[in-house]
Amino acid sequence: DSGVTQTPKHLITATGQRVTLRCSPRSGDLSVYWYQQSLDQGLQFLIQYYNGEERAKGNILERFSAQQFPDLHSELNLSSLELGDSALYFCASSAGTRGGYTFGSGTRLTVV
Amino acid sequence: AQKITQTQPGMFVQEKEAVTLDCTYDTSDPSYGLFWYKQPSSGEMIFLIYQGSYDQQNATEGRYSLNFQKARKSANLVISASQLGDSAMYFCAMRSSRGTGNQFYFGTGTSLTVIP
Repeated sequence: DSGVTQTPKHLITATGQRVTLRCSPRSGDLSVYWYQQSLDQGLQFLIQYYNGEERAKGNILERFSAQQFPDLHSELNLSSLELGDSALYFCASSAGTRGGYTFGSGTRLTVV
Repeated sequence: AQKITQTQPGMFVQEKEAVTLDCTYDTSDPSYGLFWYKQPSSGEMIFLIYQGSYDQQNATEGRYSLNFQKARKSANLVISASQLGDSAMYFCAMRSSRGTGNQFYFGTGTSLTVIP
């Protein structure tokens, strides 16, 4: 157990739907990062939060949004889902903005 | 632009032998970090080893060592005494600290198969 908890582990949903992925960072870590891993795109950085504030934004679609709550857990919201959104979504956390990552076990999203 | 290149899509190694997984990087940042992660078939990303750009010595963690050649911008992972459980995808990553953000750039990965 890495200490980063992601739920759910698997999610199957239909096109056009909306889902929420949840991440609880490792105890004491203030930064949360979201990554998307698909077969054709590899690991793509989506967004970073530090202590509740957005710090960096990567290749995140407008249909996607995220937030980090006061208890430091984070949620990634994916809406108007398309088949191409099927991927493994990772959350990672670190102690600060310059540390290494600890990854969660990922949420495997399948859009049908 | 930040970029990580892993040129070996797949590698095979005999059990108990050593194997080197290649990684080159490109950055204009004076300070950066280099990481290797292992992703077994179960999907989780497991941190293996870290090398800071100002570290004088190559990093080692058990059977893993990082062959860091700064002038050549390479950070190859060496796994000694390979085990069957080492079969997995291996990703090289670079941490870039731009402004207040902290983003990792990942290579495309190398699939390692350990042969009994």
